[in-house]
Amino acid sequence: SQQGEEDPQALSIQEGENATMNCSYKTSINNLQWYRQNSGRGLVHLILIRSNEREKHSGRLRVTLDTSKKSSSLLITASRAADTASYFCATDEGGSYIPTFGRGTSLIVHP
Amino acid sequence: DSGVTQTPKHLITATGQRVTLRCSPRSGDLSVYWYQQSLDQGLQFLIQYYNGEERAKGNILERFSAQQFPDLHSELNLSSLELGDSALYFCASSATGFGTEAFFGQGTRLTVV
Repeated sequence: SQQGEEDPQALSIQEGENATMNCSYKTSINNLQWYRQNSGRGLVHLILIRSNEREKHSGRLRVTLDTSKKSSSLLITASRAADTASYFCATDEGGSYIPTFGRGTSLIVHP
Repeated sequence: DSGVTQTPKHLITATGQRVTLRCSPRSGDLSVYWYQQSLDQGLQFLIQYYNGEERAKGNILERFSAQQFPDLHSELNLSSLELGDSALYFCASSATGFGTEAFFGQGTRLTVV
């Protein structure tokens, strides 16, 4: 089944810097969701962006979607140590509406 | 707090045994998903229910089964457990399951010994 693939697999930055994670997918989608997971904990829903949307914001988060390139990016501005977590994108195959996850990006923010 | 409740949080059991994982969705959500997360397989979709009916099946083993009850809570039954079934099992719920946000519970960590 289709999965979004996040890139990079791991990202290490200093507090205050911006973090950008990318997600690529293979076929058409209805929507794409971004999640955060702290080690061994549940997934926290961050943003859902629909296929007819290009950009969404939520606080320090900015998500873009380029359906022509089949890719999305998550930007975290002014990162904090508390942003340290794994970030996943979840795409749905056209018509299924089943969130299907990639392997995630592990983000470490150093204080 | 996502509003999705999973019990138990931790479960340790022996090979060959059967366990039941429980999930209460967010109030008003009609759709429930089950996922398995392991280090080697990542997050795998198992099964989805919508308003009591099975809607979609993913990589769910025949030894596993699930159901959603009239009050919309769901149970995932895992039987003839093997060491490889050790994983985090997540339940998620969404309002309709048709393009609405999916919110996850904290998961049940299953250890098979």
